Amino acid sequence: QVQLVQSGAVVKNPGASVKVSCKASGYTFTGYYIHWVRQAPGQGLEWMGWINPNSGGTNFAQRFQGRVTMTTDTSITTAYMDLSGLRFDDTAVYYCARAIGTDKAWWGQGTLVTVSS
Amino acid sequence: SYELTQPPSLSVFPGQTARITCSGDALPKQYVYWYHQKPGQAPVLVIYKDSERPSGIPERFSGSTSGTTVTLTISEVQAEDEADYYCQSGGSGGIYVFGTGTKVTVL
Repeated sequence: QVQLVQSGAVVKNPGASVKVSCKASGYTFTGYYIHWVRQAPGQGLEWMGWINPNSGGTNFAQRFQGRVTMTTDTSITTAYMDLSGLRFDDTAVYYCARAIGTDKAWWGQGTLVTVSS
Repeated sequence: SYELTQPPSLSVFPGQTARITCSGDALPKQYVYWYHQKPGQAPVLVIYKDSERPSGIPERFSGSTSGTTVTLTISEVQAEDEADYYCQSGGSGGIYVFGTGTKVTVL
C-alpha cells in the first residue's frame, strides 16, 4: 500500500535551516509529483510547492521563493524539503503529499518543526 | 494572491445535513478537491474533481458546483464526521491553493 513516511520532529534556532525527508513506498515514485504543505499550530493548510521526481522540476508558492529547496533521490524513493532562514512563524507541521489535485492524493504523517531560541 | 473562502465553522446534529461552501473567482475554470482532517492526523481526500468520491469514502459525502462556489454536502452526518474540512484548487500555472478551512462540529 502507498506510504509516505516522514522524518521526526526537530527544534531549530531562528536563522537556521531545516531539512525534512519523505520516504515513499508502495507505488512508482517517479510517476507522481510530491507536494509540501505546512500547517501552523491551530491554523489552516498552506501549500508550499511541488517537485516532479521524474525531471527534478519544481514550482514554489511565491512567499517561499528563495527560501525553500525541494529535491528527490530516486534511488531511495525519498523527497526532501529544505527551508532556510527559519523564523518563529515557520513553526508548523510540514507534510509531504503525493499528487495533490488528483484522485491519487496521499499524505505523509507530518513533521513538526519548532523554531525556538 | 488567489484565495478560497470557507465559513470558519458549522455545527450540525447527527442525522442532519451539513453543507460547506468554498468560494473563489477562478473556481468555474478549475476542479476542486475536498479533504477532511481530524485532530493530530493528516488530511484525507473525500471528494475530487468537484463531485467524484474516492473509493472507501462513504456515499453520504457529495460535491457540487455553481459558478464561483462549490459545496461539500455531508448527508446524515455522523459523529465521526466531526473534523476540519478544506477545499483545494489550482494546478493552473502549477500553483495550488487551499481554502481557509471549516470546522464541523457534530452536536
